[in-house]
Amino acid sequence: GESVGLHLPTLSVQEGDNSIINCAYSNSASDYFIWYKQESGKGPQFIIDIRSNMDKRQGQRVTVLLNKTVKHLSLQIAATQPGDSAVYFCADYTGTASKLTFGTGTRLQVTL
Amino acid sequence: NAGVTQTPKFRVLKTGQSMTLLCAQDMNHEYMYWYRQDPGMGLRLIHYSVGEGTTAKGEVPDGYNVSRLKKQNFLLGLESAAPSQTSVYFCASSYSRGRGTAAFFGQGTRLTVV
Repeated sequence: GESVGLHLPTLSVQEGDNSIINCAYSNSASDYFIWYKQESGKGPQFIIDIRSNMDKRQGQRVTVLLNKTVKHLSLQIAATQPGDSAVYFCADYTGTASKLTFGTGTRLQVTL
Repeated sequence: NAGVTQTPKFRVLKTGQSMTLLCAQDMNHEYMYWYRQDPGMGLRLIHYSVGEGTTAKGEVPDGYNVSRLKKQNFLLGLESAAPSQTSVYFCASSYSRGRGTAAFFGQGTRLTVV
C-alpha cells in the first residue's frame, strides 16, 4: 500500500549547524506534503507544507524541498537550536481520501 | 485560544471495560481525525470525519467507534477495551479540502489497558 517513510530514525546535530531531515514517499497522487514537529509529551505541531506542484517552500528558518522525480522531500532547519530537539514527521495529504498519512518519524537531537 | 482539547489526558482501563474519549475544537474546522501513536509506528488513522454527522474508517478502525453529532466535537469510543489498545490517542482537526491541510492536534490521551 501507499506509505510515507523516513530514512533515518535519529539525527544528531550541533547547535548552530543546519539540519536536514529526509523523507521518501510512494503515493504519487498526494496533493500536499507536510512536516510536523512533536516534542515529548505533546501533540504534533504543524511546521510547513508544500503543494505537490511546487519544489520548494520557505518558512522561518525552515525550507522544504520536494523532488517528485525520486519521490523525496526534505526539511532543512537553519541554525539549529536546542529548542528544535524533537521528533519530526513527514505526512502526505490526498484530497480524494481526505486524510493525512504519517511516516514513522525522525528524532532530532541538538548537541551543545 | 483553546484549539483542540482532549479529555481525559490519562486513563487506565481494565480489559473489557468501555470508555469514550472526547475531542473538542473551537476553530470551526470541518475535518476531524482520531489517531493512535505507538512506539516506532508513527501515527495511524483510526477514524475521521469530513463534517457534522459524517464519519469514515481510517487504517486501523477495528475495536473503535466514533460520532460527530456536533461540528466542534468528535468522540472516540472503545466498547470493550483490549491490551492491544494501549496507546497514546491524538485528535486533530483541519479546514476542509482546498483551504489548507494543516491539522491541529490535541495534547493526547494516554490510555493503558490492563
